[in-house]
Amino acid sequence: NAGVMQNPRHLVRRRGQEARLRCSPMKGHSHVYWYRQLPEEGLKFMVYLQKENIIDESGMPKERFSAEFPKEGPSILRIQQVVRGDSAAYFCASSTGTHGNTIYFGEGSWLTVV
Amino acid sequence: KQEVTQIPAALSVPEGENLVLNCSFTDSAIYNLQWFRQDPGKGLTSLLLIQSSQREQTSGRLNASLDKSSGRSTLYIAASQPGDSATYLCAVVQETSGSRLTFGEGTQLTVNP
Repeated sequence: NAGVMQNPRHLVRRRGQEARLRCSPMKGHSHVYWYRQLPEEGLKFMVYLQKENIIDESGMPKERFSAEFPKEGPSILRIQQVVRGDSAAYFCASSTGTHGNTIYFGEGSWLTVV
Repeated sequence: KQEVTQIPAALSVPEGENLVLNCSFTDSAIYNLQWFRQDPGKGLTSLLLIQSSQREQTSGRLNASLDKSSGRSTLYIAASQPGDSATYLCAVVQETSGSRLTFGEGTQLTVNP
């Protein structure tokens, strides 16, 4: 059973370009979470999704960021018109349900904006 | 707003020592608390999950305790090894926040051979 798969692992973008980060949850998991880890900071929640639904996006910046988890395929975190401050590690996690279930994290996608 | 604090921020110990990492949280209305390990450039590995009704969980040389009413948790590592060197993160799920984890900033542990 493969773990949570994220790609790309490393991504370099110039300011103003778009970044797309993909996450395939563990088999059988229908809940996906995205977290961001800025340099020298802790992990911060961004968004929680179930298939075709955004459940909680209270941690998402209001502009340029969007997330989806379609019926088929991976979850996508999209960052438009990237700026240097978007440089961070973006982690995806998945679980089978809410609350008491263990959450499994992917290895992260490291975005560098130059 | 929930805040999670971990002390110390960094810890360096000789191999074989027993050690304790501390985590505190400001809002005691939590659903569970989880300890993770993060290696440099890697994702997070879940070590122990403690439900709010539980007092402790054990896995091998690791023991985590939870005192929900005082807003504290400790991670005890027995007979530390160089392979234990990593950043240890504490995170809580609040009763009202679904499955959203609120993380502390971590304790960076170095175990010297």
